[in-house]
Amino acid sequence: GEDVEQSLFLSVREGDSSVINCTYTDSSSTYLYWYKQEPGAGLQLLTYIFSNMDMKQDQRLTVLLNKKDKHLSLRIADTQTGDSAIYFCAEGEGSSASKIIFGSGTRLSIRP
Amino acid sequence: DTEVTQTPKHLVMGMTNKKSLKCEQHMGHRAMYWYKQKAKKPPELMFVYSYEKLSINESVPSRFSPECPNSSLLNLHLHALQPEDSALYLCASSQDGVKQETQYFGPGTRLLVL
Repeated sequence: GEDVEQSLFLSVREGDSSVINCTYTDSSSTYLYWYKQEPGAGLQLLTYIFSNMDMKQDQRLTVLLNKKDKHLSLRIADTQTGDSAIYFCAEGEGSSASKIIFGSGTRLSIRP
Repeated sequence: DTEVTQTPKHLVMGMTNKKSLKCEQHMGHRAMYWYKQKAKKPPELMFVYSYEKLSINESVPSRFSPECPNSSLLNLHLHALQPEDSALYLCASSQDGVKQETQYFGPGTRLLVL
């Protein structure tokens, strides 16, 4: 079945770049997503990428997609304390228009 | 306006109570979703409504009863819940649920069942 995998934790120094990695299995996914969840809050859509794109940049965020390896990454430039959160990678399930399959989430912590 | 609102923010209920969670969006979306999220876990899909009709029920126990009175509103009626149902309940909406599309989430209702 479909599966999305991420590492559970990432710690970076303030001002450095953070790179969060994700692998997925459904090659028919049209969209791949990154959601951010701060403590006690709902999910905030950070960015998404169409499966026919290799890269998408939005201010401090860069998404890279390697379809051959089914690998997705999120780079946050100049990481700030406000970036501390859990980041969920997600893919649209190919067989069902309505379903999104989430990874387990990567907890990003920022050290001074 | 890309906002999905949910009420209440927090809810504490006993196992014999009946309560309802509410969700509202004014983005003109025709698909709405309920998710359940336990601590330190990703959201799990419960129900999907598309054009006010229930299109997906992920084998959710009948003590959870969804309702979609119109295209802007989604309710989740709760009755005879168990302590293990304590979780963050998230609502989301998207264009129409017919094709793969971006889902926008509300802030959630944190539910505690005693």
